[in-house]
Amino acid sequence: GAVVSQHPSWVICKSGTSVKIECRSLDFQATTMFWYRQFPKQSLMLMATSNEGSKATYEQGVEKDKFLINHASLTLSTLTVTSAHPEDSSFYICLAGPTWETQYFGPGTRLLVL
Amino acid sequence: AQKVTQAQTEISVVEKEDVTLDCVYETRDTTYYLFWYKQPPSGELVFLIRRNSFDEQNEISGRYSWNFQKSTSSFNFTITASQVVDSAVYFCALSAPYAGNMLTFGGGTRLMVKP
Repeated sequence: GAVVSQHPSWVICKSGTSVKIECRSLDFQATTMFWYRQFPKQSLMLMATSNEGSKATYEQGVEKDKFLINHASLTLSTLTVTSAHPEDSSFYICLAGPTWETQYFGPGTRLLVL
Repeated sequence: AQKVTQAQTEISVVEKEDVTLDCVYETRDTTYYLFWYKQPPSGELVFLIRRNSFDEQNEISGRYSWNFQKSTSSFNFTITASQVVDSAVYFCALSAPYAGNMLTFGGGTRLMVKP
């Protein structure tokens, strides 16, 4: 079946550094991918919609200059957390699918910023 | 705007009890999908069910069942004879074209099943 992968699954970094998270669709093409963030004991909140070949659409309150999204191909979207700070520590998870009715979550990436 | 409400933040039951998790939604679309996901402590989201807005038939899958009622905009989830392994956070979600097809999640219900 369709699978979405994320890399890395877990990352620890120092405050001020940048971290790149990859989301790949393994057996389908995705013109749109969604990035979600989940803080401990909270629900999943949409951060941005990643569109292949065009700029990402960010949700209100999400800094586009801090969370850089690149959807360079139909199977890969990347989320870069620039100048990460402890408050960016969270669970980042992507969602993608061959159609809007059928979408799959990646396994998620846990980010811890020290 | 679309919205999903899970009024129960935490539920605690004893093993073998039945438990119902409530979900109420709002959307302007007439075509939409409703979902339930399970999130165990590992964090990965486990897909449980997807229901099309035009299909109001209830569904049963083993110990799981879902009751979809458009009249009350509800999509409730029942676990029969709960087990300790059912302990997790459960999310109800909505996807609709008007909202750009992304999933909008409810706040989640943490289910604790005690032996």
